Amino acid sequence: KQEVTQIPAALSVPEGENLVLNCSFTDSAIYNLQWFRQDPGKGLTSLLLIQSSQREQTSGRLNASLDKSSGRSTLYIAASQPGDSATYLCAVGRNYQLIWGAGTKLIIKP
Amino acid sequence: DTGVSQDPRHKITKRGQNVTFRCDPISEHNRLYWYRQTLGQGPEFLTYFQNEAQLEKSRLLSDRFSAERPKGSFSTLEIQRTEQGDSAMYLCASSLLPADSSYEQYFGPGTRLTVT
Repeated sequence: KQEVTQIPAALSVPEGENLVLNCSFTDSAIYNLQWFRQDPGKGLTSLLLIQSSQREQTSGRLNASLDKSSGRSTLYIAASQPGDSATYLCAVGRNYQLIWGAGTKLIIKP
Repeated sequence: DTGVSQDPRHKITKRGQNVTFRCDPISEHNRLYWYRQTLGQGPEFLTYFQNEAQLEKSRLLSDRFSAERPKGSFSTLEIQRTEQGDSAMYLCASSLLPADSSYEQYFGPGTRLTVT
């Protein structure tokens, strides 16, 4: 059974810092991995999708990596801003469903 | 295209009442998914459709829950005899069944259900 873990559960850093969020999964037989952002009480915004054959994806200040063999993904956020404050969730895709971590709540202090 | 939409955005109901939610996927997407998210947790898969066929249901989907996708367009999720434990955010997503197998899912804003 696939299990997805995100560490840390919460993170608070000063504005301007670079930071890394971690996601680990137990079964390497995945189709893809997605990183999402969720603002309080809101829906999900897709940030990056990494196919199982890819090692990383970049969008602006965000870079996500995938290492299937070790069951790990990281989301790197460069030059963090207060507007980056949100919960970040990773989800691994296998055919029809996404299996989710519980998220990392990120607070960027001005 | 305006993305995935869900209606209503918020629903407050009394225990024992029935509720129905609607999801309109991105128009050319042939797959539609329902997830449930409780506070502080990641979403959990409930069910999905490929066109009008419901192909998979989670064990989370008790017999009080039913979902339909008539004509392979919008979908409805009905909860009968609601319980307080049904209080959650109900999320809908859609995707293509693409040749490149990306399976990227696009999410709607969710319907927040509160059962009092």
